[in-house]
Amino acid sequence: QVQLRESGPGLVRPSETLSLTCTVFGGFITSSHWSWVRQSADKRLEWIGRIDASGITNYNPSLKSRLRMSVDLSKKVLSLEMTSVTAADTAVYYCVRDDTGFGPWGQGTLVTVSS
Amino acid sequence: IQLTQSPSSLSASVGDRVTITCRASQDISHYLVWYQQKPGKAPELLIYAASTLHSGVPSRFSGSGFGTDFTLTITSLQPEDFAIYYCQQLNSYPLTFGPGTIVD
Repeated sequence: QVQLRESGPGLVRPSETLSLTCTVFGGFITSSHWSWVRQSADKRLEWIGRIDASGITNYNPSLKSRLRMSVDLSKKVLSLEMTSVTAADTAVYYCVRDDTGFGPWGQGTLVTVSS
Repeated sequence: IQLTQSPSSLSASVGDRVTITCRASQDISHYLVWYQQKPGKAPELLIYAASTLHSGVPSRFSGSGFGTDFTLTITSLQPEDFAIYYCQQLNSYPLTFGPGTIVD
């Protein structure tokens, strides 16, 4: 059974860079795409982008200029970097296996952007 | 592609038949997915390809539709089904979600 666990700083200052990682337990990281999704306080879900085992990415155009995703196959770790964050980036961030549908999901990590 | 859901919320009782609609702003073929989210938890996959039940999902859940109009039906609402339901399109980038329907 594939399980995912996100980790990150919790609090990020405005204009700084948000860095998150997602560790994949069980299963094969090479067998799927992997997406990042965030959920704001109003419960809206927003797709951030996806990456495959080759490192090929697709980003949401609304965030593309600030994003960088990567994958470390040996450690089974996915990484997300988002630059120049603002309060609007405050959300719960999820990593998720991305196949015919999204699942399973990690438990999510809350990121608050505040000074 | 914009997704709209109706209703935005509904009140129901155990045993009720519940229907949620998702409409896409353009043709997405069958690339429509449904999720259930309970408080404090991540969303969970219910149905993919508009009508295929994900492994382990009870048969009281069903999905239908093609093109721009889709429906999620719960035939007999159970206590554990009170949650928020989201649709998502996988037809084209950027992937998008509907705003959710609260079932309480």
